[in-house]
Amino acid sequence: DAGITQSPRHKVTETGTPVTLRCHQTENHRYMYWYRQDPGHGLRLIHYSYGVKDTDKGEVSDGYSVSRSKTEDFLLTLESATSSQTSVYFCAISRTSGDTTDTQYFGPGTRLTVL
Amino acid sequence: GQSLEQPSEVTAVEGAIVQINCTYQTSGFYGLSWYQQHDGGAPTFLSYNALDGLEETGRFSSFLSRSDSYGYLLLQELQMKDSASYFCAAFYNQGGKLIFGQGTELSVKP
Repeated sequence: DAGITQSPRHKVTETGTPVTLRCHQTENHRYMYWYRQDPGHGLRLIHYSYGVKDTDKGEVSDGYSVSRSKTEDFLLTLESATSSQTSVYFCAISRTSGDTTDTQYFGPGTRLTVL
Repeated sequence: GQSLEQPSEVTAVEGAIVQINCTYQTSGFYGLSWYQQHDGGAPTFLSYNALDGLEETGRFSSFLSRSDSYGYLLLQELQMKDSASYFCAAFYNQGGKLIFGQGTELSVKP
């Protein structure tokens, strides 16, 4: 158990509304990631963070922003949700030093539906 | 771009052996991981190969051939609980970013 929680676990919202998903970890890991999972696409990286206030884009970052003001929290924001952002969102952490690779541990996921 | 290819589904019977293949693009490749996911839950780590050869962990083994840009996950003595989706995922360059394949849904039949 890597001590990762996500909130909310389920959310239904309307097109055009802002949505923020939270990922919280308890073990002070440096790297945190946001993925989305859709049928036929596996897991796709949205954004990731390699430290407080240090973030970078992944494969599918358009329409998403992130913030990391504390080591333990990584927030994903949809400024104006669209139906194409209906998905399951997973947060992950890894213990990598940045020069080596390491296992990623995933949170339980957030199921987001945009109507 | 960087992409991985794996079969979309595989069916096998209890007690059998199944191999799930994964091909990847070579440029910047660093290593190959495998993850298991049950019923849309959190993916869980199974194995990682950075070097050519076989890594064995109980009933599961993973193999990598860098010269062939190919790897596979081998599941032996299949059990019903092994029914799940299996993802290969590659590290490219440094920094810990993973690129995932689309996943292989394994169905184990009695």
